Amino acid sequence: KNQVEQSPQSLIILEGKNCTLQCNYTVSPFSNLRWYKQDTGRGPVSLTIMTFSENTKSNGRYTATLDADTKQSSLHITASQLSDSASYICVVRANSGGYQKVTFGIGTKLQVIP
Amino acid sequence: NAGVTQTPKFRVLKTGQSMTLLCAQDMNHEYMYWYRQDPGMGLRLIHYSVGEGTTAKGEVPDGYNVSRLKKQNFLLGLESAAPSQTSVYFCASSYGGGLAGEGVRRNEQFFGPGTRLTVL
Repeated sequence: KNQVEQSPQSLIILEGKNCTLQCNYTVSPFSNLRWYKQDTGRGPVSLTIMTFSENTKSNGRYTATLDADTKQSSLHITASQLSDSASYICVVRANSGGYQKVTFGIGTKLQVIP
Repeated sequence: NAGVTQTPKFRVLKTGQSMTLLCAQDMNHEYMYWYRQDPGMGLRLIHYSVGEGTTAKGEVPDGYNVSRLKKQNFLLGLESAAPSQTSVYFCASSYGGGLAGEGVRRNEQFFGPGTRLTVL
């Protein structure tokens, strides 16, 4: 069964500090992996996407990495801001006979405090 | 562009009542999706549509029906609401559906703001 596991479940950091969120998946065969940011009371918004051949992708202060061999991804946030407080969801697509299936992680809830 | 909009934002129902959630997108996307998000669980696909006039079952379709009469609209219906359907419902749309060989940017899903539904 395709699964996406994220850690930690929740995290509190001080404004200005860095943090790293983890995503482990068992989705196979792998197609691509996205990180989404979901603000409280809002829908998820895509931050980055990586395919099998990519091992790092940046979007401003967000940097995602992918190790397709170990089936692990991380999202690193640099110099955190209060507006980074949100849930971060790892989403993995699998190829499935011509249609790609999507599996969502539960998310990591990040709180940035002053 | 408004992107993906959902109506209503909040709703409280009694067990057995019916209602329809409306999703609209102005990006001319072919694919549309309905998800539910529950505490401690990832988003789960209820139904989806690959184009106007088409619908298909997702992971958790029981108790829900959908219709896609117009390309820009995707309706989710609850015929007889149950407490187990208390959830936050998200609509999403994408240009592509994630078919093999398709560019990854085409299958990015854009989400609406969600509808919080409580069934008493």
